Amino acid sequence: GENVEQHPSTLSVQEGDSAVIKCTYSDSASNYFPWYKQELGKGPQLIIDIRSNVGEKKDQRIAVTLNKTAKHFSLHITETQPEDSAVYFCAASGSRARGGNKLTFGTGTQLKVEL
Amino acid sequence: DSGVTQTPKHLITATGQRVTLRCSPRSGDLSVYWYQQSLDQGLQFLIQYYNGEERAKGNILERFSAQQFPDLHSELNLSSLELGDSALYFCASSFGVDGGGGELFFGEGSRLTVL
Repeated sequence: GENVEQHPSTLSVQEGDSAVIKCTYSDSASNYFPWYKQELGKGPQLIIDIRSNVGEKKDQRIAVTLNKTAKHFSLHITETQPEDSAVYFCAASGSRARGGNKLTFGTGTQLKVEL
Repeated sequence: DSGVTQTPKHLITATGQRVTLRCSPRSGDLSVYWYQQSLDQGLQFLIQYYNGEERAKGNILERFSAQQFPDLHSELNLSSLELGDSALYFCASSFGVDGGGGELFFGEGSRLTVL
């Protein structure tokens, strides 16, 4: 099955700096790569996603890049703000039997933005 | 608010017991997913139902079972509980059968503590 590795597990940056979180996946058939943000006491929430036919996608201060050859994708947050502090999860959709979804998540990155 | 409702929010029980977690998906969503989140394992996919039928299965233990009812709410049953089952259990929903093509909406989770 799909295996997603995520690094780093914790990341501390100064407000205004950039943050980068990296993930690798194992299943070459995966074609959908979302990123979720989980705030304390809440469920994960989608912040951006990318499909395998696209190399990069941006949404304001957030961008995601995908390298299918290397099976690697990254989340970039620019001009970080205190409200960006949360746990971030990358994910990849693996093989789907009977049309179902088996979204596999990475282990998460605790991002702390310090004033 | 994601629109996904999970009950109970907190549950404390003893080893060997059985519990039922309940999930009401977002209005109009047909797929329900269950995930287990523990400190060292991240988000682990358990099972997906679409319109009452099981569509994808992850590493769900035989002691665990789930179902989706005609009104689309879902229940996750955990039996013969062990200390290691202590975790946060998330329900998520999506409109289509293939969550790999779109956003999953997560509830706020049910925290299970097994003593």
